[in-house]
Amino acid sequence: NAGVTQTPKFRILKIGQSMTLQCAQDMNHNYMYWYRQDPGMGLKLIYYSVGAGITDKGEVPNGYNVSRSTTEDFPLRLELAAPSQTSVYFCASSYSEGEQYFGPGTRLTVL
Amino acid sequence: GEDVEQSLFLSVREGDSSVINCTYTDSSSTYLYWYKQEPGAGLQLLTYIFSNMDMKQDQRLTVLLNKKDKHLSLRIADTQTGDSAIYFCFGEYGNKLVFGAGTILRVKS
Repeated sequence: NAGVTQTPKFRILKIGQSMTLQCAQDMNHNYMYWYRQDPGMGLKLIYYSVGAGITDKGEVPNGYNVSRSTTEDFPLRLELAAPSQTSVYFCASSYSEGEQYFGPGTRLTVL
Repeated sequence: GEDVEQSLFLSVREGDSSVINCTYTDSSSTYLYWYKQEPGAGLQLLTYIFSNMDMKQDQRLTVLLNKKDKHLSLRIADTQTGDSAIYFCFGEYGNKLVFGAGTILRVKS
C-alpha cells in the first residue's frame, strides 16, 4: 500500500493564480481531510469528506474548494491564490473517526 | 470553543525521559491522540487514549490523562536522538478536530 500520497511536494504560485493539490489513498478509507499547518498555529481543518459525493467545511474553508467523486481521491482547489494561503497542506484519511493517516504534505508559497 | 495548548519547546539529553504536556478547554473528546512529525515528513500517529482511561503505556511511551485538570501528557522513556521531532496533541469534538500548536522536542547526544 502506498498509503496517502500528495502531489506536488512544492509549488510557488503568483497572486491570483489557481491550482489543485492532489490527494489519493489506497486504503479504502471513507474519511478524508485537508489541513493547513502554519508555524506556531497547529493544524487547521479546511475541508473533510465522510464518503464519495459528500464534503463538509472545516474550520478555515474560505478560499478553497474540494470534491470527492471517488473514494480514493480528494483534490483541494485554490481558485485565486493569496499570500495568506502560503502554508504546508496535509491530506489525511481514516476508516472512520479517529486514527488518521497523513500524507507527506505540500509546501505552497504564494508571492 | 475548543482550544488545545502545548508548550512550544523541550530540550533533553539522550537517555533522559521527556514529558510533553497539553491542556485543553473542552473535555468532551472521546479520544485524545499524540502525533509525531519528523523534519520534512508528514504526521504519524504515535498513540491515543480513550477518554475514560487515566493512563496508557505502549513500550517507551506513557500517556497520562487528568480529566479533572483537563491535562494530557506524553512521556517518552530513554529518549533517543531519533525522537527529535514536533509532537502534536489532538482531540475530536464532534465534527471538529483540534490540534495543539506542537511541541518541538530536541534531543542532545
